[in-house]
Parts: sequence; structure tokens; C-alpha cells
Amino acid sequence: DADVTQTPRNRITKTGKRIMLECSQTKGHDRMYWYRQDPGLGLRLIYYSFDVKDINKGEISDGYSVSRQAQAKFSLSLESAIPNQTALYFCATKGQSIDGYTFGSGTRLTVV
Amino acid sequence: KQEVTQIPAALSVPEGENLVLNCSFTDSAIYNLQWFRQDPGKGLTSLLLIQSSQREQTSGRLNASLDKSSGRSTLYIAASQPGDSATYLCGPILTGGGNKLTFGTGTQLKVEL
Repeated sequence: DADVTQTPRNRITKTGKRIMLECSQTKGHDRMYWYRQDPGLGLRLIYYSFDVKDINKGEISDGYSVSRQAQAKFSLSLESAIPNQTALYFCATKGQSIDGYTFGSGTRLTVV
Repeated sequence: KQEVTQIPAALSVPEGENLVLNCSFTDSAIYNLQWFRQDPGKGLTSLLLIQSSQREQTSGRLNASLDKSSGRSTLYIAASQPGDSATYLCGPILTGGGNKLTFGTGTQLKVEL
């Protein structure tokens, strides 16, 4: 099994719908992150969390919310999806300071 | 705010060439720097992680160097192969502010037969 698992892998949804993307990890890492990737813009940070009581906004948090249900689970919600939220979404984890990031395989979201 | 620039943006080379991909960043207060590979529409595969106290890190045909004070890193690929075709992303990881990793837009590499 993958260290960082994202579900679903692909999702098509309609404008205005609420959608949740889920991320779970088996690394035992405290820090978890959500990024989105758009062609030509690279990966940008949406939200990050140090533990279940700590949630922080990233570079582009408007239109998104997150929930850290447990150390191993970090979900991203779009309360009312819009077409410009069509993107590839990645979850990542990180351990101690000297550790690098581990990324999930991504969720491709299309809002029509 | 950390700004990361990768040069060149795209590169096409014949098989067997040695390559250098460049990365520069504006905030040198980093713990470490990570190089990733991404195939089209796929996830990110970590290639190398260089600690801020290190100058180089090697894995197989890959060698990454880091000059923290000048805000530069290079990824050297020896004897390139068609299977190396992918986008390569550089990500410095800050010491503060959640150890955020800021990405450049990458170098898209194509190695031709």
C-alpha cells in the first residue's frame, strides 16, 4: 500500500456541488499539506496542518476548507465547486525537520 | 515570499547526453531542498533530498548540488535515456512557517532516441 493515499483518483462534478477529497497516510508524520497543480502555474499550497488542532492557510485557500480528523487523515473540501477549481490536487506529508515531503498520487478534479 | 525559478523551462536532447537543470530561489532560510520527477498527469516522485549542510547528494546517474547562500541548486543527469523524459521540479523547504515547500514551474525534459 502507498504511504500517502488519495481518494478519489478522478472526479467530475457540477458547478455548485460540495465535494470532499480525502487523504490518509501511514508514515506517522505530523505535518500534512494540500496542493493544487495547474498547467503553467506549478504547484501551489492550499492548506497545511501540524496536528489535529492546527490548521493553517496556504497561498490559495479561498474557496476551500480542510479537516484534520486524525493524525493520519486530512481532507479537503470545496463547499461550492466552480470551474476554475478544475485541477490536479495533491496531498503530502512531512516528518521531522530533516525529512523531505512524501506526495500522494493525486486527485484529478473536473468541475463542469 | 519564496520565489523559485527553474531554467530551462524545456529541454530536448538526444540520448546519451549529460544534462544540467538549474534552480534558483530567493529565500535562503531553508532546511533542505528536494528534487522531484513528474510524469504527465502523474504524481511526484522524490529523486534527491539535500540537507542545507550538504553540498551534494547522489543517486545513480543523478547528482544534485546546493549552494544555500547564493540560492542555487543544480540537478545533473548523466548519460540521459528516453526513460528520463519527464518534468523535473525543484522544491526548497523553509526552516520556518510550517516548513513549506515552494515549487518552481519545472523543467520539461525530452530525451530522444
